[in-house]
Amino acid sequence: RKEVEQDPGPFNVPEGATVAFNCTYSNSASQSFFWYRQDCRKEPKLLMSVYSSGNEDGRFTAQLNRASQYISLLIRDSKLSDSATYLCAVSRSGGYNKLIFGAGTRLAVHP
Amino acid sequence: NAGVTQTPKFQVLKTGQSMTLQCAQDMNHNSMYWYRQDPGMGLRLIYYSASEGTTDKGEVPNGYNVSRLNKREFSLRLESAAPSQTSVYFCASRDRNNPLSGNTIYFGEGSWLTVV
Repeated sequence: RKEVEQDPGPFNVPEGATVAFNCTYSNSASQSFFWYRQDCRKEPKLLMSVYSSGNEDGRFTAQLNRASQYISLLIRDSKLSDSATYLCAVSRSGGYNKLIFGAGTRLAVHP
Repeated sequence: NAGVTQTPKFQVLKTGQSMTLQCAQDMNHNSMYWYRQDPGMGLRLIYYSASEGTTDKGEVPNGYNVSRLNKREFSLRLESAAPSQTSVYFCASRDRNNPLSGNTIYFGEGSWLTVV
């Protein structure tokens, strides 16, 4: 079983829709959680960190459920420009914090 | 503002050939990483370097070697390339001592490697 798992999608949604992605992790020692965005043939870029109490950045909301070991990303009012692959990443405590990534969920927003 | 720069961007190798992927960062970061990305597998950590002079294996180190030449540079070497090493390689860095941005990993633009 992979340490970090995501539904690969693709999620095809119309503009304006609300879409949610989940990501599960298997290591209960995981301490830090992130969502990255990756455009086609580009490098991943940090979208947002995920805090224990949940956090919001504009149309994006991230949540953490430690008991069930998953994180989620909610995108409201989807835009065409949100089309990308969304990668979740987790790191364990201590030292240099290796980031372990999920395989990514592809989102396609259509007019 | 260059950030993380890796070269080459594209390379085709024959099986058995060797090559080195170069990576440099100008952000004075302590930690550097090499990942590979394959369809359906996501990003997998090959090697990392917590600081100058140290390197450690990641999830998929077999077939690779690394050198942390100085604080700026972290190279990845394929001694005898195999078709299974066809992938996109990303170098990354992080400033683990910065309480504000310490969890942010910055990636290079990627190197597309094909082994035939």
